[in-house]
Amino acid sequence: GAVVSQHPSRVICKSGTSVKIECRSLDFQATTMFWYRQFPKKSLMLMATSNEGSKATYEQGVEKDKFLINHASLTLSTLTVTSAHPEDSSFYICSARLAGGIYGYTFGSGTRLTVV
Amino acid sequence: GIQVEQSPPDLILQEGANSTLRCNFSDSVNNLQWFHQNPWGQLINLFYIPSGTKQNGRLSATTVATERYSLLYISSSQTTDSGVYFCAVGDKLSFGAGTTVTVRA
Repeated sequence: GAVVSQHPSRVICKSGTSVKIECRSLDFQATTMFWYRQFPKKSLMLMATSNEGSKATYEQGVEKDKFLINHASLTLSTLTVTSAHPEDSSFYICSARLAGGIYGYTFGSGTRLTVV
Repeated sequence: GIQVEQSPPDLILQEGANSTLRCNFSDSVNNLQWFHQNPWGQLINLFYIPSGTKQNGRLSATTVATERYSLLYISSSQTTDSGVYFCAVGDKLSFGAGTTVTVRA
C-alpha cells in the first residue's frame, strides 16, 4: 500500500522563527497532497491542497502567507509555518492518495508543533 | 461543504463487547473512509468504503450511499481498540468530529 512519511514528528521552536514540515510519498507519486491541522481533542481541519508544480489552494480562513506550501516534486510537499506564534502550536498532518485510489487517502504520522 | 456527523461522541466498552459507530453525511460522495487515530496521533486507514460492505478481522463497515450513512462495527473489542474513530468523506476528506472509544479490561 501507499506510504506517506512526515518529518519531523515533534518540534519546539521559539516565537518568531519559522518551521518547515516535510511530507513525502515513499512508493508512489502524488500530484496532490493535503495539509490538515488538529487541535487537542478536536477533529482534523483541512488547511490547504498542495498541487505539484502550481500554487496551493487554501481553505477559507487559512493565511497563505503564514502557512507556506511548496510542492516541488511528485513525492514531496512542504509546509512552512512562518513567524510562528504560540497560537500556531498544533498537530499538523499531511495526506496523499495513490492514483487509481482504491485504498483512499494515506496519512503521514503527523508533526506536533509547540511554539514557546 | 459536506457536513459529517458521527455518533456517539463517546463510547465506553467492556472488553469483549460489540459496538456500532455511525457516520451521517449531507451530500452524495464518491469517497468515504474510516480511520482510527491512535494515542500518538497516527491515523490508521481502516476502510475505504464509498459503498457496500467490507470486513477486516474484527472490524467491518457498511456504507449505504443512497441514504448517506456509514456504519463501523467493532466486534469482540480489545483494549487496543481504544482511540478516536473518524469518518471522512469527499475528495478533500471532510472529517466528522470522531467517536472516542474506550475499551476497559
